[in-house]
Amino acid sequence: EPEVTQTPSHQVTQMGQEVILRCVPISNHLYFYWYRQILGQKVEFLVSFYNNEISEKSEIFDDQFSVERPDGSNFTLKIRSTKLEDSAMYFCASSVSFATNEKLFFGSGTQLSVL
Amino acid sequence: GQQLNQSPQSMFIQEGEDVSMNCTSSSIFNTWLWYKQDPGEGPVLLIALYKAGELTSNGRLTAQFGITRKDSFLNISASIPSDVGIYFCAGQLRAGGTSYGKLTFGQGTILTVHP
Repeated sequence: EPEVTQTPSHQVTQMGQEVILRCVPISNHLYFYWYRQILGQKVEFLVSFYNNEISEKSEIFDDQFSVERPDGSNFTLKIRSTKLEDSAMYFCASSVSFATNEKLFFGSGTQLSVL
Repeated sequence: GQQLNQSPQSMFIQEGEDVSMNCTSSSIFNTWLWYKQDPGEGPVLLIALYKAGELTSNGRLTAQFGITRKDSFLNISASIPSDVGIYFCAGQLRAGGTSYGKLTFGQGTILTVHP
């Protein structure tokens, strides 16, 4: 069964450093998303992306965050200057089309630890 | 923003028992979804509900979309040890006929099943 793949599974970084989290969405999917989950808390929406541009973003997704689809298969989340409070599990998700875009398929996540 | 209140926060049950959890919202959603998250994994979609009053089953799972569009419940019948995990409700509100995949998640219900 097709799945969303995320790398790395764990990322440790120093505060102030840039990190790039990588995702390979399901191949025929057109909509891509990033969510995050701080330990013990609920999953929170960060950003949605379609047709090479951001469709919607949350208040969390400030100027330190950016997303990119550099090629036909990868979807990345960049945090320019990490803060301690950026420590969380980051989930990439994708959906197939507008009509069914509520059916998000999530990856296994990247656990980001900012020290 | 929209808030979902999910209850209970945790449940400890014996194998074979039935389980019920619910979500309420201060505002309406067009779509309600229920996800399960296993440790170290991303959320996996269990059931999606699209119409007020809709009752949908998926094996031993049954979920309903409340008439007011502000609530939903999930029932698990005859629980088994592999039902262990965190169950999240999520709501989606389409605005103006468009939807960008933004899901609002509840806080989760941690389910423990004793053999």
